[in-house]
Amino acid sequence: SQTIHQWPATLVQPVGSPLSLECTVEGTSNPNLYWYRQAAGRGLQLLFYSVGIGQISSEVPQNLSASRPQDRQFILSSKKLLLSDSGFYLCAWGTGVLFFGQGTRLTVV
Amino acid sequence: QKEVEQNSGPLSVPEGAIASLNCTYSDRGSQSFFWYRQYSGKSPELIMSIYSNGDKEDGRFTAQLNKASQYVSLLIRDSQPSDSATYLCAVARGNQFYFGTGTSLTVIP
Repeated sequence: SQTIHQWPATLVQPVGSPLSLECTVEGTSNPNLYWYRQAAGRGLQLLFYSVGIGQISSEVPQNLSASRPQDRQFILSSKKLLLSDSGFYLCAWGTGVLFFGQGTRLTVV
Repeated sequence: QKEVEQNSGPLSVPEGAIASLNCTYSDRGSQSFFWYRQYSGKSPELIMSIYSNGDKEDGRFTAQLNKASQYVSLLIRDSQPSDSATYLCAVARGNQFYFGTGTSLTVIP
């Protein structure tokens, strides 16, 4: 069966520091992969999605970037975090239906 | 106009009652429709998917879709305290998934 792993579960980072969140999927090949952010009391905001290695679509212009170096690996990065980057970051995979990882609670201080 | 709109609630129902959650979407090209449940601090989990007009039942859950009215609903029969959560409505077009802000449901014992 397919599983999705996302880490770390929680992260506290100072403003201006870099960020790297990683997500991997097991049990499937060439999945569509997604990064969402959920701010406190807000809905899910699509940040990036990828339909294959090296193929990244950005939905929201910001200081975040994404990469897909391997078929089942999706990485979310930032060179310098802002306070507004705080939130709950969710990696998801799927074709036709989405399944979410456990999420990373990021607090920028 | 938002892609997906939900009443944020909170919605409170007594244990054993029927909870009714509603959602509208703006793009008639939307092809697939989903309900996710999200417990506080956790990631969303899929509870129902529906693709054609009418009702779809799964245990205590019934999803209803009316494409002419661009309306999706979720009924939860015999509500239990464990159903207390935020329910997210989602629609899909191609590889893109769009989420509402969620309806908070509290089931009172």
